[in-house]
Amino acid sequence: NAGVTQTPKFRVLKTGQSMTLLCAQDMNHEYMYWYRQDPGMGLRLIHYSVGEGTTAKGEVPDGYNVSRLKKQNFLLGLESAAPSQTSVYFCASRPKATAAGTQYFGPGTRLLVL
Amino acid sequence: EDQVTQSPEALRLQEGESSSLNCSYTVSGLRGLFWYRQDPGKGPEFLFTLYSAGEEKEKERLKATLTKKESFLHITAPKPEDSATYLCAVNSNSGYELNFGKGTSLLVTP
Repeated sequence: NAGVTQTPKFRVLKTGQSMTLLCAQDMNHEYMYWYRQDPGMGLRLIHYSVGEGTTAKGEVPDGYNVSRLKKQNFLLGLESAAPSQTSVYFCASRPKATAAGTQYFGPGTRLLVL
Repeated sequence: EDQVTQSPEALRLQEGESSSLNCSYTVSGLRGLFWYRQDPGKGPEFLFTLYSAGEEKEKERLKATLTKKESFLHITAPKPEDSATYLCAVNSNSGYELNFGKGTSLLVTP
């Protein structure tokens, strides 16, 4: 049982480049989330999904897009990266029937935008 | 708008020196308060859920308590392996599923 995995672990982009971060979970969880964590800011929700084929905006969605074509995968896309998107990105998941705060987090993706 | 404030930002303890971390919150209708542990370079790991004032949860050297305005994470006789950042988060009737505090970085020295 791998839990929540994220790829890549680290990436350097130039301003204007695009990329996709992949999150996969093998726990058959319905809910999945993308957060960013910045020094002094805490974890902030970017987008989330309550099921296959559905997505919703979180607190800081601008500049990001997401897709949930398969239940086990949640993709985060950056169409045109900006230095302000330099951050650590965490994916999380949880079963529908559990409390909102009982989330399982992945190991994170460190993104540096130059 | 929900607000979650954790204090102190950083705490240094000697092994065996008990202390408490604070999480104060202002929310519209608390549905739950959650504590996480985050080790450097890793994702947060869920510790506790608290739902109502007076509730307590324990796990090894950690005990979480909840009042109507704040939660405490008590650490009894800490060990160096308890060193981590501890995050508090709330779920309420407004806003998004979880609103996180900025965390308390705990260092326990031998």
